[in-house]
Amino acid sequence: SQKIEQNSEALNIQEGKTATLTCNYTNYSPAYLQWYRQDPGRGPVFLLLIRENEKEKRKERLKVTFDTTLKQSLFHITASQPADSATYLCALGWRGRGSTLGRLYFGRGTQLTVWP
Amino acid sequence: DTAVSQTPKYLVTQMGNDKSIKCEQNLGHDTMYWYKQDSKKFLKIMFSYNNKELIINETVPNRFSPKSPDKAHLNLHINSLELGDSAVYFCASSQVVSGGPPRETQYFGPGTRLLVL
Repeated sequence: SQKIEQNSEALNIQEGKTATLTCNYTNYSPAYLQWYRQDPGRGPVFLLLIRENEKEKRKERLKVTFDTTLKQSLFHITASQPADSATYLCALGWRGRGSTLGRLYFGRGTQLTVWP
Repeated sequence: DTAVSQTPKYLVTQMGNDKSIKCEQNLGHDTMYWYKQDSKKFLKIMFSYNNKELIINETVPNRFSPKSPDKAHLNLHINSLELGDSAVYFCASSQVVSGGPPRETQYFGPGTRLLVL
């Protein structure tokens, strides 16, 4: 079965630094990989999607890379701010039909704390 | 306007009771999901409906029964509640095209916090 590991349960960094979160997976490479942000007491919110044929995606201070050889995605937040403190989840999906249709497998998440 | 809404937000009940959680999305999506997030924050899919048809049914006790009266609604009914059912339940929706390019961003509701005493 598919296994997804996010580098650590918690990551603490100083404001202004770059936060780097890791998502590793085993077995079959997904058609796409997504990153979500979850704040306490709220549902996950979509941030970025990267497809299997893409190496890098950017959105404002966020950058995602996808290495299908290493079976790894890195999620970077540059110039981090205390408001970036949250849990970040990676999720893998496959293009498919039937029971794989739209299905996402989530990692357990990394709780990021950015301190002033 | 809220895209994906769930009711109730909190649910405290006794073991053995039957309860329902409702979910509605106004995004026009054709696929809806139920997830369970346990105390360790692991988000695991339970069910998925595409155009009112059940397409994902994970290894979930048959005390849990989803119902989709139409594309915009997916409800979850739980019979004979047990202590281990305590968790946060999230509803989500997406627009899925079978075999097509991936655009399966999922939009989550605010969650229903279920506590079974």
